[in-house]
Amino acid sequence: AQKVTQAQTEISVVEKEDVTLDCVYETRDTTYYLFWYKQPPSGELVFLIRRNSFDEQNEISGRYSWNFQKSTSSFNFTITASQVVDSAVYFCALSERGNAGNMLTFGGGTRLMVKP
Amino acid sequence: GAVVSQHPSWVICKSGTSVKIECRSLDFQATTMFWYRQFPKQSLMLMATSNEGSKATYEQGVEKDKFLINHASLTLSTLTVTSAHPEDSSFYICSARRGGVAFFGQGTRLTVV
Repeated sequence: AQKVTQAQTEISVVEKEDVTLDCVYETRDTTYYLFWYKQPPSGELVFLIRRNSFDEQNEISGRYSWNFQKSTSSFNFTITASQVVDSAVYFCALSERGNAGNMLTFGGGTRLMVKP
Repeated sequence: GAVVSQHPSWVICKSGTSVKIECRSLDFQATTMFWYRQFPKQSLMLMATSNEGSKATYEQGVEKDKFLINHASLTLSTLTVTSAHPEDSSFYICSARRGGVAFFGQGTRLTVV
């Protein structure tokens, strides 16, 4: 069975600080996909990144970066120089290729509060 | 722009009535859509998988007769909460996959009074 754990339920930082959101996953599949989504107060989920299990290259997109390490089954997300607009709940999710329709299993989410 | 559109974004209904929520894929066909439920400060829990032209697949513990799902076309899935009660009050959100990525609707906040 697949499982995603986000151990940090809430993180509070001051603007311009760097912050890392942790994500640890469990799966028996050798082919799988990992995602990060942002859920601002409005409620909709905003897609941030998808990573497949064969691509361990770290990725950077502006102030966002992701560190994928299969050895530790982790897919951590770092926001550099955080801003108030980054305040949201962030979800890590896993999709196994073998799942019918490729459903997503979500972690519990991490609520990030960036204070001015 | 939005890839998946969900309507309404919020609804208040009286206990005992039914509410229909629509989920549309924009500019692409989705043979499969997913319905999630989210309680305050909690994660998303998959309720059911909506399959175009066939019956929906419900997760364990989700009442099929309570949450009716219809996927009548390749771009539209509907979730009907029948005989709604206050405990059905929640945030419901749908998703459809395009290009290997699950895109989500705006969500529907249902309040049953």
